[in-house]
Amino acid sequence: ILNVEQSPQSLHVQEGDSTNFTCSFPSSNFYALHWYRWETAKSPEALFVMTLNGDEKKKGRISATLNTKEGYSYLYIKGSQPEDSATYLCALSGSARQLTFGSGTQLTVLP
Amino acid sequence: GAGVSQSPSNKVTEKGKDVELRCDPISGHTALYWYRQSLGQGLEFLIYFQGNSAPDKSGLPSDRFSAERTGGSVSTLTIQRTQQEDSAVYLCASSLGNVKETQYFGPGTRLLVL
Repeated sequence: ILNVEQSPQSLHVQEGDSTNFTCSFPSSNFYALHWYRWETAKSPEALFVMTLNGDEKKKGRISATLNTKEGYSYLYIKGSQPEDSATYLCALSGSARQLTFGSGTQLTVLP
Repeated sequence: GAGVSQSPSNKVTEKGKDVELRCDPISGHTALYWYRQSLGQGLEFLIYFQGNSAPDKSGLPSDRFSAERTGGSVSTLTIQRTQQEDSAVYLCASSLGNVKETQYFGPGTRLLVL
């Protein structure tokens, strides 16, 4: 059974601030770690898929790192904008194929 | 190209009625997944289809829930004799099937059971 925890549960930042959140997992017995961005009433949007220890991915102002040895992944947002407000989900895929999700971090960027 | 589509987007029903939720995956995707998010809960897996293989039903919460995938494409999730605890957002996702592939999600069906 895969376990995923995310922190913080919610976060308020000012426009222009940089921020980061954590996804932690007690076991590295998975094939891939996924980050999604989910805005209310929209489809969850895939941000990154990471598979190897030390992986770093970047998409615009958003980046992510993976450390399987210490059991965490960080998602960073540089220069937050109001349109970055969303719930950010971390999920693991293992031998069973389906995603096991954390409870998410709800980000609010104040103008 | 077209993404994953789901219908209806919203559904309000009375306790005890049956409901059907539809998912149209991305063309060419062999894997299809159903998830749901109940109020205050995280996203939880319900069922997974891969090609012509028998589906993985291990996440279905009760025998009132069933799903089928016709012709390896469209899928229908059926909930019989709905209960108030079935109220949730039901999300469908599809992928190319490899465990490291991205799963692409639809916008979901918001189900409210009165």
